[in-house]
Amino acid sequence: GESVGLHLPTLSVQEGDNSIINCAYSNSASDYFIWYKQESGKGPQFIIDIRSNMDKRQGQRVTVLLNKTVKHLSLQIAATQPGDSAVYFCAENGYGNKLVFGAGTILRVKS
Amino acid sequence: EPEVTQTPSHQVTQMGQEVILRCVPISNHLYFYWYRQILGQKVEFLVSFYNNEISEKSEIFDDQFSVERPDGSNFTLKIRSTKLEDSAMYFCASSEARGQGIQPQHFGDGTRLSIL
Repeated sequence: GESVGLHLPTLSVQEGDNSIINCAYSNSASDYFIWYKQESGKGPQFIIDIRSNMDKRQGQRVTVLLNKTVKHLSLQIAATQPGDSAVYFCAENGYGNKLVFGAGTILRVKS
Repeated sequence: EPEVTQTPSHQVTQMGQEVILRCVPISNHLYFYWYRQILGQKVEFLVSFYNNEISEKSEIFDDQFSVERPDGSNFTLKIRSTKLEDSAMYFCASSEARGQGIQPQHFGDGTRLSIL
């Protein structure tokens, strides 16, 4: 079946450090992956996506890496700021248009 | 920046009653979705909608659920006879056409549904 899981439920980092959030997926047929940030009381906010024909994609302060061999996805946040504190979800596009979400990782930024 | 809007932000309903959750997707988007998140659990897919019909639905989306696009801007989720286990955050999302491949889904801030 399809499943997406996260290795670390909570990540605490010092302000200014880099953060790495990891995600494992199980559906080798997935061809699209996406990271969302969710702040308290709000819906998932799109951060960055990557298609399966790529292994790296960069945005502003964020980088997503995709390793299809081991079915692993990571989100790197450079120079983490207090405003980055949130729950981060990876999701994969399995069959059709539906997204399969991971459980989420809480990122806490210490000042 | 355009966004998906959902109303109400919180809905309290008696068990067995019907409830309608409303969404206004981003105006040029053609794909619409509903997801739900039970407290402390993952975000789960319910249904996708394109070209005025359901394109995919999960096993959660049983006969008690229905979706509708009653006009050019609204997208609704109806639960006909609510159960206690329907209590959750319900998120609406929308995405552009897939002309150049899958497009990211953009989410609203959700409706918290509480069934008493």
